[in-house]
Parts: sequence; C-alpha cells; structure tokens
Amino acid sequence: QQQVKQSPQSLIVQKGGISIINCAYENTAFDYFPWYQQFPGKGPALLIAIRPDVSEKKEGRFTISFNKSAKQFSLHIMDSQPGDSATYFCAVGGGADGLTFGKGTHLIIQP
Amino acid sequence: DGGITQSPKYLFRKEGQNVTLSCEQNLNHDAMYWYRQDPGQGLRLIYYSQIVNDFQKGDIAEGYSVSREKKESFPLTVTSAQKNPTAFYLCASSNLAGGNQPQHFGDGTRLSIL
Repeated sequence: QQQVKQSPQSLIVQKGGISIINCAYENTAFDYFPWYQQFPGKGPALLIAIRPDVSEKKEGRFTISFNKSAKQFSLHIMDSQPGDSATYFCAVGGGADGLTFGKGTHLIIQP
Repeated sequence: DGGITQSPKYLFRKEGQNVTLSCEQNLNHDAMYWYRQDPGQGLRLIYYSQIVNDFQKGDIAEGYSVSREKKESFPLTVTSAQKNPTAFYLCASSNLAGGNQPQHFGDGTRLSIL
C-alpha cells in the first residue's frame, strides 16, 4: 500500500508563475511533513517542513499548506525561477524508522 | 563543513560480486539511513540505524547488509543476492532517531552492472 501519493508526476510552469505540488497520505499517525528538492546527480536537500499543529508555513518563496482533516499537504513555489527546475519529493514521518517518500515531481520552469 | 560523504560516486559490479558503498558523516548524528532511488519510484528505505552496533531492516532489505561499528560510519554492502542492484543509493543521517526528524543526505553512489 502506497502511504503517500504525490502529484503531478511532472509540471511545466512559466517563469514568474506559481508551481503547486500535492501530496496525500493515509496514516494519521504521521507528524512530520517535509519537502525535499533534488538536482540531477545530487542528494535531496531539505527545502521546508511542517508539523500538524499549524496549517501553513512560509519560507521565502516556498509555502507548505497542510490540511489535516483531508490528510493532504502541498508545496507552493511563488515567482518560480528557472533555478527552481528540479525534482521535488514530499515525505511523511512519525514512526521509528525513516521517512516515507512520494514518487517525486519533475518541475521545469520555462524562461 | 559538516556533512555526509558517500563514496565512490560511481561503482560497477560484476555478476556474483559483493560491493560496499561507503557513508561517513561528521554531523555527530545518532541515526543513519540507506535509501535506494530508482527512476519514478521515489526513495525506498533499505536499512536504518538509530545507535552504534544496532540496525533495522527497512522496506527493501533483501540482498543488502550493513554495519554500524562507529557513530560516523554506516557502510552498505550490496550482495550477489540482490538481482537488480542498478540504482542510485543515498545515505542520510538525522540528529535524533525517528521518522519525524530532519534528514540530511549525501550526494549518492550510482551503482551499475557490468
């Protein structure tokens, strides 16, 4: 059973636009919801994370929106730039083991 | 600079051969993790270790083995029993054990079959 479903698989956005990536999870026991950014040939880097006691967290151009009742959270990238072109992964955590990752979204920002 | 170092960056394995991937961290983190990344599949947990001399199987441990003799080192061996080893392998660490802690990743080792 897939514990976290990420969409879309790929996304093309014009420079200056808003990029939105969504994730849905099954287990209500999860209490940590990070987003990672990965460039080709590199390891993922933590971008922003949220815990379920808040509904939104903003860091610069990146915002996480969290809907606990719907078991969904999303990443919004405002004023998207070509340098934001990368693969983005959502993840969920809360147990004793590591994070469970979504399958990733390949984002392309067109200049 | 503190971080996680994975080596080698590229590795080739012959049929029937065991190979070992290195992961070293100087972040003084307690927990370490190994993930496998395949195109379109996200990251899947192979093994994790919360403290020295202890480790647990993840979702896809078959054909892999690990050791944790030192806090800063968590090598992964891909054995000949792993029939489809071609993938990008990522090592991570977190300050505290548990899935609700930020994880820091190395830059990976790409393993291919000769």
